[in-house]
Amino acid sequence: KAGVTQTPRYLIKTRGQQVTLSCSPISGHRSVSWYQQTPGQGLQFLFEYFSETQRNKGNFPGRFSGRQFSNSRSEMNVSTLELGDSALYLCASSLRGGTNNEQFFGPGTRLTVL
Amino acid sequence: GQNIDQPTEMTATEGAIVQINCTYQTSGFNGLFWYQQHAGEAPTFLSYNVLDGLEEKGRFSSFLSRSKGYSYLLLKELQMKDSASYLCAVPRQEAGNNRKLIWGLGTSLAVNP
Repeated sequence: KAGVTQTPRYLIKTRGQQVTLSCSPISGHRSVSWYQQTPGQGLQFLFEYFSETQRNKGNFPGRFSGRQFSNSRSEMNVSTLELGDSALYLCASSLRGGTNNEQFFGPGTRLTVL
Repeated sequence: GQNIDQPTEMTATEGAIVQINCTYQTSGFNGLFWYQQHAGEAPTFLSYNVLDGLEEKGRFSSFLSRSKGYSYLLLKELQMKDSASYLCAVPRQEAGNNRKLIWGLGTSLAVNP
């Protein structure tokens, strides 16, 4: 079974630009969660999508948004990029989602904002 | 609120045993996760404890005490490949049934020969 894939793996943007990251979950998994990981803050939850609906949400500003397609693939968009958005963005898929099930993480997208 | 505390770094010797602690404060409890993350790689699931006690899984065991808000990950017969960051995470439920995982900053374990 193929694992979670994320594209692109690396991205360099400048302040004010926007970016779209993509995540393909494990086949059959309907839940996709997005996380931001930085050395100072660790892993922080952005949002979870399940069957094309946002089910849970973290405490990030509205510049961070996402969506999920009927094939469970998910995209995350960050608009008006700021220097502080530089981070590793991880997505994780889960069969049933929620907060009491094992999650399978993708390799992440390393975003650098200049 | 919900805070999670883990030691930042630990060092151990190949073949030894190491215990990585995690303390948490939460208004409600619904399990505790441990994940392993090698440098430059994605986190991978190690364990999920819901009930008090020790759960053993090969060289790795995880312990939970809900009354003390305390968990530990025990790694036996350490191998060089166990050098990684170990993350504990606890679910949190907010208003409107919004749920998310709160993560510790991770414990970076270095295994020396």
